[in-house]
Amino acid sequence: NAGVTQTPKFQVLKTGQSMTLQCAQDMNHNSMYWYRQDPGMGLRLIYYSASEGTTDKGEVPNGYNVSRLNKREFSLRLESAAPSQTSVYFCASTSPGVAGANVLTFGAGSRLTVL
Amino acid sequence: DQQVKQNSPSLSVQEGRISILNCDYTNSMFDYFLWYKKYPAEGPTFLISISSIKDKNEDGRFTVFLNKSAKHLSLHIVPSQPGDSAVYFCAASATGNTGKLIFGQGTTLQVKP
Repeated sequence: NAGVTQTPKFQVLKTGQSMTLQCAQDMNHNSMYWYRQDPGMGLRLIYYSASEGTTDKGEVPNGYNVSRLNKREFSLRLESAAPSQTSVYFCASTSPGVAGANVLTFGAGSRLTVL
Repeated sequence: DQQVKQNSPSLSVQEGRISILNCDYTNSMFDYFLWYKKYPAEGPTFLISISSIKDKNEDGRFTVFLNKSAKHLSLHIVPSQPGDSAVYFCAASATGNTGKLIFGQGTTLQVKP
């Protein structure tokens, strides 16, 4: 029962480097989300995918791109990393029809440091 | 502008006593509220929720109260246990039944044995 799996768990980048955070869920959920958590800010939505083939911006999308590769996988890409993107990133999923599609299942997080 | 605010960064209570975590919001369009719990090095996990048409929801030791006129909700944990020590996030939705949530800053609860 893996749930939501994120890789990598930790990553250190230099300013300007690019990288992709991977996320996969095995619960047959339709919707997937990327949030970031910063001290004193709570979690903020970066991008989401309501269903396979669709993606939309959240509250803080600048500097990021996403790909909904298939129903299971939703990746987050930083094209040119900046120190302001140092954060803990959480992938989450849910599905309409589940009792409360607001009830997200989160991965364990990916801690990214940009130097 | 923080639409969901948890003004107490931390709370410490004795085991067996009541823990009360508070949350205020500004957007009157919010129609669903949730509490998530987070342990270190793990993702948040869903704890309890309440629809805006209700003023109370209970689940075992956990009760959430909603005061719409004051735009305030609270989470009561009775009795508190050491395993409840975690960060608690309040979250709200204005987009119906989706995972697009606005989170508060979190409150770190410590339950002392």
